[in-house]
Amino acid sequence: ETGVTQTPRHLVMGMTNKKSLKCEQHLGHNAMYWYKQSAKKPLELMFVYNFKEQTENNSVPSRFSPECPNSSHLFLHLHTLQPEDSALYLCASSQVSTLQETQYFGPGTRLLVL
Amino acid sequence: SQQGEEDPQALSIQEGENATMNCSYKTSINNLQWYRQNSGRGLVHLILIRSNEREKHSGRLRVTLDTSKKSSSLLITASRAADTASYFCATDDRNEGAQKLVFGQGTRLTINP
Repeated sequence: ETGVTQTPRHLVMGMTNKKSLKCEQHLGHNAMYWYKQSAKKPLELMFVYNFKEQTENNSVPSRFSPECPNSSHLFLHLHTLQPEDSALYLCASSQVSTLQETQYFGPGTRLLVL
Repeated sequence: SQQGEEDPQALSIQEGENATMNCSYKTSINNLQWYRQNSGRGLVHLILIRSNEREKHSGRLRVTLDTSKKSSSLLITASRAADTASYFCATDDRNEGAQKLVFGQGTRLTINP
């Protein structure tokens, strides 16, 4: 276990549904990240939160809406998704303090949009 | 933008053999990291090498970094079936604030018993 948990682990949703992905880190880190991993594509950074403030939004469509209520929790709210949004969504955390940060990843949420 | 590119995309070897994976990148970096991912799971950090380091070891792992060629290699010695996974290099593309890792597409390693 890496100290980062994600729920749910699997999610099937229709294009008109609204759902949320949850991530929690138990490592005392101050930065959290959402990544999207699609088949045959590099891991794509979606959002970065540093001390609860969003510092990066990597041209992600507005149907993905992140929320970081505190430094331990991160949500990804989903609405009116498209089938091409089906992917593995990974959450990660790190401690912003040195130039040798490593990121700790959760197990991911496998999302299927029908 | 894609920074790291791993080579080969897939590698299949016999248990006990050594596995070498390569990574090339485009811009200057603070450090380069290697991660491992078992099928459908999250990534696990393996090793970090700083831009002023040339080689680093951790157990059966050996990483080299050549900043003049913008390339890195990961060597796994005496491979085991449990090493079967995808391996990714990631470069630290940050000037300030939270880290921004840029990952390659990965090398899929299969160790045959």
